[in-house]
Amino acid sequence: KQEVTQIPAALSVPEGENLVLNCSFTDSAIYNLQWFRQDPGKGLTSLLLIQSSQREQTSGRLNASLDKSSGRSTLYIAASQPGDSATYLCAVISSGGGADGLTFGKGTHLIIQP
Amino acid sequence: ETGVTQTPRHLVMGMTNKKSLKCEQHLGHNAMYWYKQSAKKPLELMFVYNFKEQTENNSVPSRFSPECPNSSHLFLHLHTLQPEDSALYLCASSQDYWRGPSSYEQYFGPGTRLTVT
Repeated sequence: KQEVTQIPAALSVPEGENLVLNCSFTDSAIYNLQWFRQDPGKGLTSLLLIQSSQREQTSGRLNASLDKSSGRSTLYIAASQPGDSATYLCAVISSGGGADGLTFGKGTHLIIQP
Repeated sequence: ETGVTQTPRHLVMGMTNKKSLKCEQHLGHNAMYWYKQSAKKPLELMFVYNFKEQTENNSVPSRFSPECPNSSHLFLHLHTLQPEDSALYLCASSQDYWRGPSSYEQYFGPGTRLTVT
């Protein structure tokens, strides 16, 4: 059974710092990995999707990498801003395809101090 | 309306009530999903529908009953719930789930915050 782990569980940094959030998964037979953002009490906003054949994806100040063989992904946030404060979730589609839905980690709760 | 919408946004119900959650997607997708998010636990997949057919029931108790009348609408009927069912219920959609990885990207609604008293 696929399991997704995110480290750290919580992170607080001053504004302007670059930071890295980590995600690992136990079964490397995945189709996609998606990074989401969740604001308190709200739904999920998709940030980046990396297909299994890709190594990284970039969107603005965000860069996500995927090392499928080692079961790891990182989300790099450059020049962090207070508006980046949220919970960041990593999720994978495993070998069963989309019919199995996404398997999520517990998330990293990020606070950017002004 | 754009994206994925859910109603109601908040719901308080007693253990003997019957209520329904509604999800609608405006993306032209064919697959829809229900997830449950409880405190301190990862999001859990509950149900998957593809072209109105249920293809996954992730060991969900029968007090939760899904319905998908068409590819754009998904309901979750609730009855005789327990306090531990209090959670954020999230709906998602994707283009489908059989055409390959590019069709698997999921888009989420804002969720319904359910409190069972």
